Amino acid sequence: GQQLNQSPQSMFIQEGEDVSMNCTSSSIFNTWLWYKQEPGEGPVLLIALYKAGELTSNGRLTAQFGITRKDSFLNISASIPSDVGIYFCAERRGGSEKLVFGKGTKLTVNP
Amino acid sequence: DTGVSQNPRHKITKRGQNVTFRCDPISEHNRLYWYRQTLGQGPEFLTYFQNEAQLEKSRLLSDRFSAERPKGSFSTLEIQRTEQGDSAMYLCASSPTDSPLHFGNGTRLTVT
Repeated sequence: GQQLNQSPQSMFIQEGEDVSMNCTSSSIFNTWLWYKQEPGEGPVLLIALYKAGELTSNGRLTAQFGITRKDSFLNISASIPSDVGIYFCAERRGGSEKLVFGKGTKLTVNP
Repeated sequence: DTGVSQNPRHKITKRGQNVTFRCDPISEHNRLYWYRQTLGQGPEFLTYFQNEAQLEKSRLLSDRFSAERPKGSFSTLEIQRTEQGDSAMYLCASSPTDSPLHFGNGTRLTVT
């Protein structure tokens, strides 16, 4: 089963607002990944984080690997309608190729 | 488009029938993964291959499920004697060694 706590479960925002979502775990991980999934499609990689404290940006997206290696957040600035989708965090523990996903944050952006 | 390709996109089958899905990974990727996703959940790991070797399998992969990657390129996932609980999106992903996964658009299975 899932081992990541992802919050919030859903968000309804107005276009132009900033968004923040996060993932936490009781275990330490080596890699945090953030994916976005739109209806009928597979998840698409947004940002990959490999070091504790790492802060990485991809356009309007910014993600950070928590210093304790047990959490990560994703921020979206100045949201637009095409940001709509489900955002998943995923982590990979050392010694395994298995990616464990959170349950996702469903984002709705009202124009 | 050189992304991960999955076929078919949709499959409707009756309980008890066997189904087979195909995945064509990105050509230079040596790792291939199968995941299952149900409504409202994130993808759950089923199995992964490095080249033709199946190196890790989840406990979710019952003995009715079998995956192959005979030449280290495309892969097939077969489900025998399907059950209604097998209804889900089956996602394939590929990656080079130690790199993030790139997912296909999945095969949606409905078992009636």
